[in-house]
Amino acid sequence: RKEVEQDPGPFNVPEGATVAFNCTYSNSASQSFFWYRQDCRKEPKLLMSVYSSGNEDGRFTAQLNRASQYISLLIRDSKLSDSATYLCVGFSGNTGKLIFGQGTTLQVKP
Amino acid sequence: NAGVTQTPKFRILKIGQSMTLQCTQDMNHNYMYWYRQDPGMGLKLIYYSVGAGITDKGEVPNGYNVSRSTTEDFPLRLELAAPSQTSVYFCASSPQRGGDQPQHFGDGTRLSIL
Repeated sequence: RKEVEQDPGPFNVPEGATVAFNCTYSNSASQSFFWYRQDCRKEPKLLMSVYSSGNEDGRFTAQLNRASQYISLLIRDSKLSDSATYLCVGFSGNTGKLIFGQGTTLQVKP
Repeated sequence: NAGVTQTPKFRILKIGQSMTLQCTQDMNHNYMYWYRQDPGMGLKLIYYSVGAGITDKGEVPNGYNVSRSTTEDFPLRLELAAPSQTSVYFCASSPQRGGDQPQHFGDGTRLSIL
């Protein structure tokens, strides 16, 4: 089983839709989690950190559920510019390394 | 600000050739990383370094070597290129390892082995 698993999609949604991605992790020692955004053939860029209390940044809301070992990302009022691959990433304090999920692809259509 | 700079951006190699992927950062970050990303997959850690003179293996180190003689530079070397090493390679740096510190990525090097 992969340490960080995501549904690869693609998720095809119309502009203005609300879309949610989930990610599960298997290593309970993982301490921190992040969502990165990767545009086609470009480098990953940090979108937001994920906290148990939930955190919001504009149209984006991230949530961590440690009991169920899953992380979510909610995007409200989708824009065409949100089309990208979203990478769920875990950090293990034991190894000091980031573990990347395979990514979920979002296509927002007019 | 230049950030993390990788060269070359594209390269085609023949099986058995060798080459060095260059990575340099101007942010005075101690931690540097090399990842590979195969089509439709997430990033896999090849090697990382916590400071000049110190390197360690990641998930997929076989077929690669690294060195870290300065804080700024972290080159990745392929000694005997194989088709399985066809991938996109990303170099990244951070002031600390993981935690709440984001990793800054270079633009990537697209490498094809034929």
